[in-house]
Parts: sequence; C-alpha cells; structure tokens
Amino acid sequence: SQQGEEDPQALSIQEGENATMNCSYKTSINNLQWYRQNSGRGLVHLILIRSNEREKHSGRLRVTLDTSKKSSSLLITASRAADTASYFCATGPVGATNKLIFGTGTLLAVQP
Amino acid sequence: GAVVSQHPSWVICKSGTSVKIECRSLDFQATTMFWYRQFPKQSLMLMATSNEGSKATYEQGVEKDKFLINHASLTLSTLTVTSAHPEDSSFYICSARARSSYNEQFFGPGTRLTVL
Repeated sequence: SQQGEEDPQALSIQEGENATMNCSYKTSINNLQWYRQNSGRGLVHLILIRSNEREKHSGRLRVTLDTSKKSSSLLITASRAADTASYFCATGPVGATNKLIFGTGTLLAVQP
Repeated sequence: GAVVSQHPSWVICKSGTSVKIECRSLDFQATTMFWYRQFPKQSLMLMATSNEGSKATYEQGVEKDKFLINHASLTLSTLTVTSAHPEDSSFYICSARARSSYNEQFFGPGTRLTVL
C-alpha cells in the first residue's frame, strides 16, 4: 500500500500547549498537504508544502518537510479546544499529480 | 470561495437497491473530481478520479460496475452505488480540483450510507 503513516495515532493535550504530528510516506512526491477533519464531516485544507520547500507557516501552523527522510511534521502552537479533530497528511505522488494519498491520521484532543 | 456540496448528507437504503450521491462545486469549475471512501476511524481511500466529459479512472480493487461515476459538467459529479449491500455502508466523500489549482482539493461534507 502506498498509504502513509502518521504518528501518534492519538494525542491528548491541554489548551495552550503545542501539538506535533508526524507523517511518513513511501513514494517520491511533488507536494504534501495537511487536512483537518472534524468528526463525521468533510476535510478542510490546512496547508500545502511543495517538495522543494522545507518549512512553511500559516497562522498557528508550522509544517516541515524532509524529502530525504520522506517525512513531514505539523505543529499547532497555542492549541485551542476548537482544534480537536483528526489531522491527515496527504501526498501528491510524482507522476500522478492529480492524486492525493492520505496518511492514517492523528486524532487530536485538546482539553479545555 | 471553493465550496463543494454533497447530497444527500446521509441515506439509509435496503440491500439490493441503488443509491446516487451528488457532488457539486458551487463557486468554481472543477476539472477533476475525486471520490473517496472512509470507514470509521480510518483514513480516506481514493476510489476513482473523474474528469469532466471522460470516463472515470478507478483505483485498483474498486469495481467500476458497482460504483458508477458520471462527471457530466464542470460542476457536477455523481456516484451511484448499484445493488448496495451492507458491506458498502461507509462514509463517501468527494473532492474537486479547480483548473487553476496546483494540487489542492476542496472536499465536500461527505455522505453517510447505511445499507440494511
């Protein structure tokens, strides 16, 4: 399977703390994206990082990409209860630019 | 902008019946639409990719005669689950990619299908 893996599977933190999620993938990529999904809902696009980029910021989000290790991390700073959701990384493989291959996801619970 | 809707949001049907799910891009033209399936507490699995006016491309292991996809216009794609069985019960999510988009996909809210 080409599916990526995320780590940890579940994470519980207190409001105000930082949350870090990691994603490992298997194939060469053009880009990597992070999405958020609230329970039973669709996905919301958070951030896209291209294969020639190493770090990207968007508000309280910071994404890093290490193509040599085929891994990425998502950092959410100063977490809020509203950040509680599942977070998925998704890769756009080389040679299949239309596709997204989703990771297994991290369930984040932010306790108020 | 970039809103994608799905209809219905949930559906319950009897085994053997067919169910149609619509996916619409409301404020942009979607050159490509994607259909995913998600089982409880699992990730999204791509089922098929559809381009407007052409036949859908199905992922390995997905039966094209069971999951009929039609992408008749730049704003509408439909997924029909034919002769549904309880094992087809799942959360079906569509996404759409705009012509101008690098590789960002905009997702619909999903359709919960329960087959009795």
